[in-house]
Amino acid sequence: NAGVTQTPKFQVLKTGQSMTLQCAQDMNHEYMSWYRQDPGMGLRLIHYSVGAGITDQGEVPNGYNVSRSTTEDFPLRLLSAAPSQTSVYFCASSSLLAGIETQYFGPGTRLLVL
Amino acid sequence: AQSVAQPEDQVNVAEGNPLTVKCTYSVSGNPYLFWYVQYPNRGLQFLLKYITGDNLVKGSYGFEAEFNKSQTSFHLKKPSALVSDSALYFCAVRGFSSGSARQLTFGSGTQLTVLP
Repeated sequence: NAGVTQTPKFQVLKTGQSMTLQCAQDMNHEYMSWYRQDPGMGLRLIHYSVGAGITDQGEVPNGYNVSRSTTEDFPLRLLSAAPSQTSVYFCASSSLLAGIETQYFGPGTRLLVL
Repeated sequence: AQSVAQPEDQVNVAEGNPLTVKCTYSVSGNPYLFWYVQYPNRGLQFLLKYITGDNLVKGSYGFEAEFNKSQTSFHLKKPSALVSDSALYFCAVRGFSSGSARQLTFGSGTQLTVLP
């Protein structure tokens, strides 16, 4: 199993550009989530999904969109990047039976918005 | 709203000495509490959890945590620190109200450095 994979590892954007952060898992997990990690603030939940076709907002959803067309993939879209979105983004997944606390985290995507 | 506080940004301890990383929480109802570790350039890894039962829970890599309901604390401990324990540690809480509160809320993290 590859676990949770994220691409790209690093990205530089200009203000106003759009991009999609990719996330995939091969463990057949129902639950997937996106977090951003900023210094001194821990991880904050952006969006999450409990299954294909079902998504919901987390703590900091503004400026981000998600979709879940398959169990495996959960892309995060930035429609118009802003410097405040400079952060490290983590995707995670877990089975609902095991509990979301046992989430497997991907290696992260470092995003710099100029 | 649920919240987690990790009052120490940085904890330094000598190898072989006991270590404690502090965490306090605020949540409606009974909490589910968790500890995670993050090594450089990696995602978080689950260490241990408290759901109910014994107030002392044991987890991976020799870590344990003590739940104290009256002090709303869930401190991470290890009897004898290793240099390889040096990492960023996060406490998290999950509550039981609706919507996002059913998700995990993380503390700001504590950088543990074990000195040889």
